[in-house]
Amino acid sequence: NAGVTQTPKFRVLKTGQSMTLLCAQDMNHEYMYWYRQDPGMGLRLIHYSVGEGTTAKGEVPDGYNVSRLKKQNFLLGLESAAPSQTSVYFCASSYSHRGRNTGELFFGEGSRLTVL
Amino acid sequence: QKEVEQDPGPLSVPEGAIVSLNCTYSNSAFQYFMWYRQYSRKGPELLMYTYSSGNKEDGRFTAQVDKSSKYISLFIRDSQPSDSATYLCAMRGGGGADGLTFGKGTHLIIQP
Repeated sequence: NAGVTQTPKFRVLKTGQSMTLLCAQDMNHEYMYWYRQDPGMGLRLIHYSVGEGTTAKGEVPDGYNVSRLKKQNFLLGLESAAPSQTSVYFCASSYSHRGRNTGELFFGEGSRLTVL
Repeated sequence: QKEVEQDPGPLSVPEGAIVSLNCTYSNSAFQYFMWYRQYSRKGPELLMYTYSSGNKEDGRFTAQVDKSSKYISLFIRDSQPSDSATYLCAMRGGGGADGLTFGKGTHLIIQP
């Protein structure tokens, strides 16, 4: 049982390049989330999904796109990377209970992205 | 003012000491309160979960919520070097599927 798996774990990009981060969970969770974590800023929600085929914006969505074509996968895309997107990105998933997340998020180990 | 305030530390204490970690918040709609622990270069993991005001104990850990003061605490008794980590408070309102609001995290160091 792998839990939440993120790929790649490390990536260096040049300004203007594009890339996709992949998150996969094997716990049959309905909800999935993408956060970024920056020094002095804490965890900030980028986008989230309440089920296959649905996505919604979080606190800091600009410059990112997401897709949830399969229940177990949640993709985060950067179309034109900027240095301000240098960060550690965490994917998380959770159960749903009566249409709400339970508050227990299961996190991946993070993807460290540097944009030069 | 940020919705959730948490002192980033570092907080350094000797092994065996009682540790007190705290967060304040401004959003009265928050009803569910959590503490996550994050080891270096790892993802956060849930440590404690409480609903509304009151105390919850789990082994050496006690979580307290005071909604009237908008203040939550995590106490660690008989602290161990393995407790050295960053502790993030998190909270959410009563409904919806949107994510949690996190504090910035407190970096805790337990000195052997």
